[in-house]
Amino acid sequence: GAVVSQHPSWVICKSGTSVKIECRSLDFQATTMFWYRQFPKQSLMLMATSNEGSKATYEQGVEKDKFLINHASLTLSTLTVTSAHPEDSSFYICSAPGRGAGAKNIQYFGAGTRLSVL
Amino acid sequence: SQQGEEDPQALSIQEGENATMNCSYKTSINNLQWYRQNSGRGLVHLILIRSNEREKHSGRLRVTLDTSKKSSSLLITASRAADTASYFCATDTGTASKLTFGTGTRLQVTL
Repeated sequence: GAVVSQHPSWVICKSGTSVKIECRSLDFQATTMFWYRQFPKQSLMLMATSNEGSKATYEQGVEKDKFLINHASLTLSTLTVTSAHPEDSSFYICSAPGRGAGAKNIQYFGAGTRLSVL
Repeated sequence: SQQGEEDPQALSIQEGENATMNCSYKTSINNLQWYRQNSGRGLVHLILIRSNEREKHSGRLRVTLDTSKKSSSLLITASRAADTASYFCATDTGTASKLTFGTGTRLQVTL
């Protein structure tokens, strides 16, 4: 099956700094990737859709300038949490839809990044 | 995006028993999927059922879909301790489109 790699898996940073999270599709190309946020014992909330070569599409209520998304290649999307504050502490997960017949509707997920802002 | 509801929120059973989780959603869908998440990890796809299908099987998993009631159920038979995880239903409205996740069911299988 398709593999999505997410890095780092865990990051601790000081308030006010920026943190970049990478999401890579390892054995397939992904023109679209999705970024989610998950609070403890809760479901995934879609933050934005990352589009290769064009601007990301953000969900209502998600600050574009706060969560910068760059999808510069067919295998890499990055999420940068700018000027992070403690309320940004969360679990961030990316995904990419599969390729080929029967797999396009299936999402392949990274292992997630736990962000702790002090 | 509006989330679907899942029940129960948490389920604790003994190994060998069956586990049933239910999902309700709000809008018309193309497909409904079930994903599994181990604690602190990403999600893994389990099974997909199309809107024109009513039941689907995969190994110990059985999924039903009732589009008239906008609901689905996931049955895990002969559960194992390794089935302990959170289970989420997710709906989509088209090919490679974004998913809308349910609230999730935390399953605990004890020996």
